Amino acid sequence: GDSVTQMEGPVTLSEEAFLTINCTYTATGYPSLFWYVQYPGEGLQLLLKATKADDKGSNKGFEATYRKETTSFHLEKGSVQVSDSAVYFCALSDLKGGSEKLVFGKGTKLTVNP
Amino acid sequence: NAGVTQTPKFRVLKTGQSMTLLCAQDMNHEYMYWYRQDPGMGLRLIHYSVGEGTTAKGEVPDGYNVSRLKKQNFLLGLESAAPSQTSVYFCASSGLAGVLIGELFFGEGSRLTVL
Repeated sequence: GDSVTQMEGPVTLSEEAFLTINCTYTATGYPSLFWYVQYPGEGLQLLLKATKADDKGSNKGFEATYRKETTSFHLEKGSVQVSDSAVYFCALSDLKGGSEKLVFGKGTKLTVNP
Repeated sequence: NAGVTQTPKFRVLKTGQSMTLLCAQDMNHEYMYWYRQDPGMGLRLIHYSVGEGTTAKGEVPDGYNVSRLKKQNFLLGLESAAPSQTSVYFCASSGLAGVLIGELFFGEGSRLTVL
């Protein structure tokens, strides 16, 4: 079945460092790909998305490019802030059965120190 | 502007007790989901609903039941709680267009401990 594999955390960075969180996927069709973010004590919220190959999703300084040839959707940010400390989830859509369900990776916890 | 509201936010149960988690959304969404979040396991889908009066099993449905009698509410029940059901439970909802673009709206979570 469809699956998502994320790099294991936790990841600890200093403020203004470059961030990469790797995500690869396995899918039988042509899924849409997403990054969700979960701030401490909150539910998840959509960060960015890409619906077809070579699309780049971006939001709040974060970017991810849908790479079909490498089945990847790595999350990047050029300069992280303390406020980016959160858990990040990669996800893909599953259109089987006529309804869309999201398949989530296990999450990567990011801590940014001042 | 409530969005998705879960009650209760915290609960401690003894093994064998029953309880119900309530999820309410005020966005007129068709789709609603219950996930559980465990350390190192990410989010796993328990049950979901594609409209009022419908329910379907997700990835880990055993030990749980659900009901969607009203469009705005999605209830998750534990008939006989077990320590393995200690987890943080998240409800999410999505409108039809939101489902197509993968945008789910999540509640803040309900932390359940079963002793």
